[in-house]
Amino acid sequence: EAGVTQFPSHSVIEKGQTVTLRCDPISGHDNLYWYRRVMGKEIKFLLHFVKESKQDESGMPNNRFLAERTGGTYSTLKVQPAELEDSGVYFCASSPTGKGEKLFFGSGTQLSVL
Amino acid sequence: AQSVTQLGSHVSVSEGALVLLRCNYSSSVPPYLFWYVQYPNQGLQLLLKYTSAATLVKGINGFEAEFKKSETSFHLTKPSAHMSDAAEYFCAVSKAAGNKLTFGGGTRVLVKP
Repeated sequence: EAGVTQFPSHSVIEKGQTVTLRCDPISGHDNLYWYRRVMGKEIKFLLHFVKESKQDESGMPNNRFLAERTGGTYSTLKVQPAELEDSGVYFCASSPTGKGEKLFFGSGTQLSVL
Repeated sequence: AQSVTQLGSHVSVSEGALVLLRCNYSSSVPPYLFWYVQYPNQGLQLLLKYTSAATLVKGINGFEAEFKKSETSFHLTKPSAHMSDAAEYFCAVSKAAGNKLTFGGGTRVLVKP
């Protein structure tokens, strides 16, 4: 069984540009989460999808971040325009319905905004 | 609001020695508690979880953690470190299954031969 996959693994962009991160959860997992770790800080929650619906987006930093999960399968996280403070590792995680206490994490996307 | 504190961002242990990683939490409700591990170039993997059953929780790779409500702690231990235990370890708390996780800052473990 394939795990959670994230694309790209690394992205280097300039301030003001747009970047789109993609997450493919484990097939059949209704729950999909985005987390972020800024260098030297804790991993912080961004948002939670249940299928295609946003269950909790309380961790989204501001309106430059847009997450979508069309069709309840893969998800994208777009940052537009990117700022220096957006640099960090963006993790995606998924879990099946009814077993939400165990998350399966992807290996993350390292985003560097120069 | 929930919070998690991990004492020590870096820990160095000798191979065969005890591994002890400290985690304290604050939560307004009985928490779900977790330890995750991240090996180089991989995603986080669940080591173990506490969900209000037994206070001593056994996980994978010989790790275990004990929930102590009076101390609001959930320290992670392993009796004998192995070189393959070199990784970063994260303690996390949530209010319920399926709820968002609040992570500590992480502890990077170095194992010396």
